[in-house]
Amino acid sequence: DQQVKQNSPSLSVQEGRISILNCDYTNSMFDYFLWYKKYPAEGPTFLISISSIKDKNEDGRFTVFLNKSAKHLSLHIVPSQPGDSAVYFCAATPSGTASKLTFGTGTRLQVTL
Amino acid sequence: DAGVIQSPRHEVTEMGQEVTLRCKPISGHNSLFWYRQTMMRGLELLIYFNNNVPIDDSGMPEDRFSAKMPNASFSTLKIQPSEPRDSAVYFCASSVGRGLIRNTEAFFGQGTRLTVV
Repeated sequence: DQQVKQNSPSLSVQEGRISILNCDYTNSMFDYFLWYKKYPAEGPTFLISISSIKDKNEDGRFTVFLNKSAKHLSLHIVPSQPGDSAVYFCAATPSGTASKLTFGTGTRLQVTL
Repeated sequence: DAGVIQSPRHEVTEMGQEVTLRCKPISGHNSLFWYRQTMMRGLELLIYFNNNVPIDDSGMPEDRFSAKMPNASFSTLKIQPSEPRDSAVYFCASSVGRGLIRNTEAFFGQGTRLTVV
C-alpha cells in the first residue's frame, strides 16, 4: 500500500516556466513533509520541507504548498532551469518520530531549453 | 564533512553469495537509515537505528536481510543468501535526532548499486 503517491512519473517543462510537481498521501499521521532531489548516480538531497502547521513554505525559486484536507502537497519551481532536471521525491513522516521517511516513487523533471 | 560514505559503490555477485554493504554516517548524527530503491517501489525504508539501536526493522524484506550498527560511525547491511530480486540501489542516510524535537532532514550517501546474477 503506497502511503505517499506521486502519480506523474515524468514532467517536461520549458526553461523559465513554472514546474509543478504533485504528491498525495493517505496516512493521517503524517505531519511533516519533505522534497528531495536526486541526480543520476547520486543520493537524494534535501530540497525543502513543510510542517503541517503551515500551508506554504518558500525558499528561493522553490515553494511547497500543503493542503491537509485534501492530503495533497505540491512543489513549485519558478523559474525552472536546466539544472533542475532530476528526479524529485516527496516524503512524509509522522508526528513524534524521527525522520523515518516514507517516500513516493518520484517524478522525473526535464527542463528543456 | 565528507557526508555519508557508502561502500562499495557497485557490487555484482552471484545468486546465493553473501553481500555486505557498508555505511559511515556523518559524524555527530545519531540516527541512521537504510533504504532500497527500485523502479517499482521507489525508495523504501528497510531499517532505522537511533543511537546505534535498531528501532524499526519492519521494512526488512525477509530473514535473509540483517543490519548492524556496532558503533556510532559504522553500519552494515548484509544479505545472505542473495537473490536476483535483491538487485537494487541501497542507500544509507543519517540525521540528527534531538529527542522529541523533530529530526533534521536526512542526508543520503551515494548509494550502492547491487546486481545479483
